[in-house]
Amino acid sequence: SQTIHQWPATLVQPVGSPLSLECTVEGTSNPNLYWYRQAAGRGLQLLFYSVGIGQISSEVPQNLSASRPQDRQFILSSKKLLLSDSGFYLCAWSGGRYGYTFGSGTRLTVV
Amino acid sequence: DQQVKQNSPSLSVQEGRISILNCDYTNSMFDYFLWYKKYPAEGPTFLISISSIKDKNEDGRFTVFLNKSAKHLSLHIVPSQPGDSAVYFCAALAHFGNEKLTFGTGTRLTIIP
Repeated sequence: SQTIHQWPATLVQPVGSPLSLECTVEGTSNPNLYWYRQAAGRGLQLLFYSVGIGQISSEVPQNLSASRPQDRQFILSSKKLLLSDSGFYLCAWSGGRYGYTFGSGTRLTVV
Repeated sequence: DQQVKQNSPSLSVQEGRISILNCDYTNSMFDYFLWYKKYPAEGPTFLISISSIKDKNEDGRFTVFLNKSAKHLSLHIVPSQPGDSAVYFCAALAHFGNEKLTFGTGTRLTIIP
């Protein structure tokens, strides 16, 4: 069966520090992968999606970037975090009747 | 441009009664709709879906209704249980578009014991 792993679960980082969140998928090949963010009081905002290795599409201009170095690995990064980057970050892959399957999320607090 | 809207940010319902969550969309290319349930500090989980060729889909206590002419769908939960307290997201997909899910802003449902 397909599973998606996302880590870390929580992260507190100072303003200006770098960020790296990792997501891996098991049990499927060539998945479409997505990074979403849920800011306080807001809905789910699509940040990046990828249809294959090295293929990244950005949905909104921001302080973040994404990379897909391997078929089932998706990384969200920032060189210098801002306070506004705080939020709940979700990785997802698409396939099957359930639309998307989400990871358990990372709570990022920038202080 | 919010293509999927959930105009009620929160809803409180007595245990045992019916919960009705509403969702409106603007993009006529959407042909598949899903509801996700999200607990705090967890990822959303799939709840129920409906294709645009149907107007109703039922799964146990959960029923989704689709009114294409009004571009409106609703999720009915009956009877409501305390474990149903969560944030519910409506999402839409265009199979002949970019196939990315577009989510609404969510409705926080609280079931009162």
